[in-house]
Amino acid sequence: GAVVSQHPSRVICKSGTSVKIECRSLDFQATTMFWYRQFPKQSLMLMATSNEGSKATYEQGVEKDKFLINHASLTLSTLTVTSAHPEDSSFYICSARQAVGYTFGSGTRLTVV
Amino acid sequence: GESVGLHLPTLSVQEGDNSIINCAYSNSASDYFIWYKQESGKGPQFIIDIRSNMDKRQGQRVTVLLNKTVKHLSLQIAATQPGDSAVYFCAEVTGGYQKVTFGTGTKLQVIP
Repeated sequence: GAVVSQHPSRVICKSGTSVKIECRSLDFQATTMFWYRQFPKQSLMLMATSNEGSKATYEQGVEKDKFLINHASLTLSTLTVTSAHPEDSSFYICSARQAVGYTFGSGTRLTVV
Repeated sequence: GESVGLHLPTLSVQEGDNSIINCAYSNSASDYFIWYKQESGKGPQFIIDIRSNMDKRQGQRVTVLLNKTVKHLSLQIAATQPGDSAVYFCAEVTGGYQKVTFGTGTKLQVIP
């Protein structure tokens, strides 16, 4: 079946630095990808919708200058957390839309120290 | 705003029994609904979905029921196994199959 590969699975960074998370659709083309954020014991909250070749659509309350999304090809979307702070520590998950359904990546655990 | 929520945060079930996980939603304009299973530290895994013009759909050991009258969705797992232990989310797809909104989640604990 369709696979979405997300890397890295875990990352620890210092406060003030930037971190890039990659999301790749391995055996299908994804014109639309989604980025979610999940705090412990909570649900997934949609951050933004990433469309290939165009600007991402951010959900209300999500800072577009802090969470940079690039969807330069039909198989790759990246999320860059800029100037990370401890409150950005979370589980970030990407999802790709297929012809039928949605496939999720395995998530990235970001810890900002 | 629109939201999707669950009645029970935690459900404990004896191995071999059937499990029923419930979900209430508020957006009547949804296109379809999806149930996901999430194990600790992993991304959501698709279980089963149902279109808004259906009221029941069956998979392997799972059945999803949709009651649009009361805006209620349920996931039934037959003969629950220890491997079914996870957090289950219902999700609502709106905006022409664009936006997936997740409910709050139910943790299923299977007692061996």
